[in-house]
Amino acid sequence: GENVEQHPSTLSVQEGDSAVIKCTYSDSASNYFPWYKQELGKGPQLIIDIRSNVGEKKDQRIAVTLNKTAKHFSLHITETQPEDSAVYFCAASRGDTGKLIFGQGTTLQVKP
Amino acid sequence: GAVVSQHPSWVICKSGTSVKIECRSLDFQATTMFWYRQFPKQSLMLMATSNEGSKATYEQGVEKDKFLINHASLTLSTLTVTSAHPEDSSFYICSAELAGNNEQFFGPGTRLTVL
Repeated sequence: GENVEQHPSTLSVQEGDSAVIKCTYSDSASNYFPWYKQELGKGPQLIIDIRSNVGEKKDQRIAVTLNKTAKHFSLHITETQPEDSAVYFCAASRGDTGKLIFGQGTTLQVKP
Repeated sequence: GAVVSQHPSWVICKSGTSVKIECRSLDFQATTMFWYRQFPKQSLMLMATSNEGSKATYEQGVEKDKFLINHASLTLSTLTVTSAHPEDSSFYICSAELAGNNEQFFGPGTRLTVL
């Protein structure tokens, strides 16, 4: 069945450094790849997404890259700040069902 | 824009009782809503897809008679956990899809504790 693998499970960086989280998906029909940030006790918040017709997308300090051939996509956060500390989830979706398949999550800790 | 609310934010109930959770899209119409369950330190697991005016589609292993879903309008879906047991204690999160482009916006979640 569809599967999304996410790595690493935990990531600790110093404030100002970059953080990279990687995901691999199994369903070649997937065409929508969102990233969510979840703070403790809250629902996930969409931070950036990319569609299969684009290789890279950037929004201020956040960027996402997609390699369709290898079926993997990555989240890049530059100039990290303590408020970036949270759990980040990647997901993949096919256009027909709209169902999101989530990765296992990455706990990011940004040390001041 | 694209705000989704859930009510209640938390609920504590006795074993054997039923609990209803509401999910509303506040500023857009959602023909499709999704219900997820999340256990501590784990990912979101899709329970069911809720389509306005039709029966929900449940994921494998999710009991449809235990988790009743109703999507009566384009802005409201409800999840009723029937005859709740302690193992049903979890964080339940809904999302609403912005029509036509697969973007899902999530509610703040409902913490259910069954004693």
